[in-house]
Amino acid sequence: KAGVTQTPRYLIKTRGQQVTLSCSPISGHRSVSWYQQTPGQGLQFLFEYFSETQRNKGNFPGRFSGRQFSNSRSEMNVSTLELGDSALYLCASSLDRFGGYDNSPLHFGNGTRLTVT
Amino acid sequence: GNSVTQMEGPVTLSEEAFLTINCTYTATGYPSLFWYVQYPGEGLQLLLKATKADDKGSNKGFEATYRKETTSFHLEKGSVQVSDSAVYFCALSDPSGGSYIPTFGRGTSLIVHP
Repeated sequence: KAGVTQTPRYLIKTRGQQVTLSCSPISGHRSVSWYQQTPGQGLQFLFEYFSETQRNKGNFPGRFSGRQFSNSRSEMNVSTLELGDSALYLCASSLDRFGGYDNSPLHFGNGTRLTVT
Repeated sequence: GNSVTQMEGPVTLSEEAFLTINCTYTATGYPSLFWYVQYPGEGLQLLLKATKADDKGSNKGFEATYRKETTSFHLEKGSVQVSDSAVYFCALSDPSGGSYIPTFGRGTSLIVHP
């Protein structure tokens, strides 16, 4: 079974630009969540999508947005990039939404490394 | 709010040494607890989990016991290998408020020397 696939692996953008990251979940998984990982703040939750609906949102500004498609694939968008947005962005999928079936464990992709210059 | 506190790293051990990585948590409700491992250049992988007090999660020689009285979930392994070198994250999922949003610790880097 293929794992969670994130594209691209690396991105370099300049301040003010926008970026879109993509995540393909494990087949059959209906929940996709996104996280920002930085050395200073650790791993922080961005949002969760289930059945094309945003179920939960973390404490990030409105420049961070996302969506989920009918095939469960998800995209995350960051507009008006700032230097502080440089991070590893991780996507995770699970069978069910947070707290659902068997408190479904998260399966993470390898991440997209975003560098903002 | 919820929080997870892990011991600062890096933890440096020789092969076959005993490993303990401490993890304590604060939660509003009665959370499920997890350990994830991240190898260089990769995402996190679930290592083990426990969903209620006194449950012991185990996998690949690693163990952790859910201790409600001390709000702890320490990770242990009797004999580490070089291949165990990675960053280990303790995490919780709290049902309070119905959101179950996961909260992660800052991660503990483990370096095992031959």
